[in-house]
Amino acid sequence: GAGVSQSPSNKVTEKGKDVELRCDPISGHTALYWYRQSLGQGLEFLIYFQGNSAPDKSGLPSDRFSAERTGGSVSTLTIQRTQQEDSAVYLCASSRSGFQETQYFGPGTRLLVL
Amino acid sequence: AQSVAQPEDQVNVAEGNPLTVKCTYSVSGNPYLFWYVQYPNRGLQFLLKYITGDNLVKGSYGFEAEFNKSQTSFHLKKPSALVSDSALYFCAVRALSLGGSYIPTFGRGTSLIVHP
Repeated sequence: GAGVSQSPSNKVTEKGKDVELRCDPISGHTALYWYRQSLGQGLEFLIYFQGNSAPDKSGLPSDRFSAERTGGSVSTLTIQRTQQEDSAVYLCASSRSGFQETQYFGPGTRLLVL
Repeated sequence: AQSVAQPEDQVNVAEGNPLTVKCTYSVSGNPYLFWYVQYPNRGLQFLLKYITGDNLVKGSYGFEAEFNKSQTSFHLKKPSALVSDSALYFCAVRALSLGGSYIPTFGRGTSLIVHP
């Protein structure tokens, strides 16, 4: 079956612009995670969606970051007024249910803010 | 505090030799431990996990890991390294987010370089 897909694969934007990153999880997976991977750093947790529950937004670094998940499937991560420090690879992962399940990662979106 | 540590940024090993990538953790309650691998320009792929049961866990591509409760470690091992094993390896553990959810929390990663 299809894996997790993300789009775009690469995004170059100018400082101050807004960007939207998309994640299509594996069908039937109730859990969806966004992470940020910066050069030389590990994976930084951003946000977690589980079914119809309110998302856990505790990892979002600022109020410029937001995410939504429509219909329990596709998710969009939005970064407003981008800054150069937002440059990173943004990874999406889904799993059948919660933390004990294997996560399946998308290929990531590489964001460069000029 | 709940955390996971990978003490080595890089591990170098000759092809055919055994390899070990280290991971230690600090959690309250039962640990749920994972290893993922990231090949260049690709997303992370699951290797293996420990939830309960046998301390020795076998995973993909000939990798295995041993859960050691007394040493709070979950080191990744392979008896004979291949050049194609060269990649970035991440250990993850269940941790409690600031929002109160249990989520996988990842170490900083260890770059494994296997020399021909």
